[in-house]
Amino acid sequence: RKEVEQDPGPFNVPEGATVAFNCTYSNSASQSFFWYRQDCRKEPKLLMSVYSSGNEDGRFTAQLNRASQYISLLIRDSKLSDSATYLCVVRENTGKLIFGQGTTLQVKP
Amino acid sequence: GAGVSQTPSNKVTEKGKYVELRCDPISGHTALYWYRQSLGQGPEFLIYFQGTGAADDSGLPNDRFFAVRPEGSVSTLKIQRTERGDSAVYLCASSYTYRETQYFGPGTRLLVL
Repeated sequence: RKEVEQDPGPFNVPEGATVAFNCTYSNSASQSFFWYRQDCRKEPKLLMSVYSSGNEDGRFTAQLNRASQYISLLIRDSKLSDSATYLCVVRENTGKLIFGQGTTLQVKP
Repeated sequence: GAGVSQTPSNKVTEKGKYVELRCDPISGHTALYWYRQSLGQGPEFLIYFQGTGAADDSGLPNDRFFAVRPEGSVSTLKIQRTERGDSAVYLCASSYTYRETQYFGPGTRLLVL
């Protein structure tokens, strides 16, 4: 079993749609969680951290459920520019990042 | 300021050859990480440096892979006797400390023929 699991998609949605991505992680001792965004043939970039209380950044909302070891990302009012791969990431105590496979989002006009 | 830089951006080599990949981290970042990303997969951890020392090399796949960071800044990932399965994008990331956000370089695309 992979340490971080995501549905690879692709998710094809129209502009303006709301889309949700989910991820599960296996190490119950994990402390830090993130969503990274990766554009085609580019490096991953931090989108947002994820906290148990839930956090929001504009159209993006991230949520962590420690009991279920489940992380989510909600994107509202999708834009064409949101098309990318979204990587669910867990950070271990050494700082090492464990990435999921990534979920591909394609927003269409 | 300048981000993480990696050279070369692309490297094509033949099976059995030796390659070196270079990473120049953000100035002042003490933590440096190497990851490898295969097509359709997320990046996989290879090695972590804190200063000059390798604090965690548990992700190196075998003894053909080695990395150094002699002065606590630039790091070189070395691959001996390359195999076709080594073809991937090699990503370097740095952070101020191991608890801080990691910033990734653009990667080196390695193709072993």
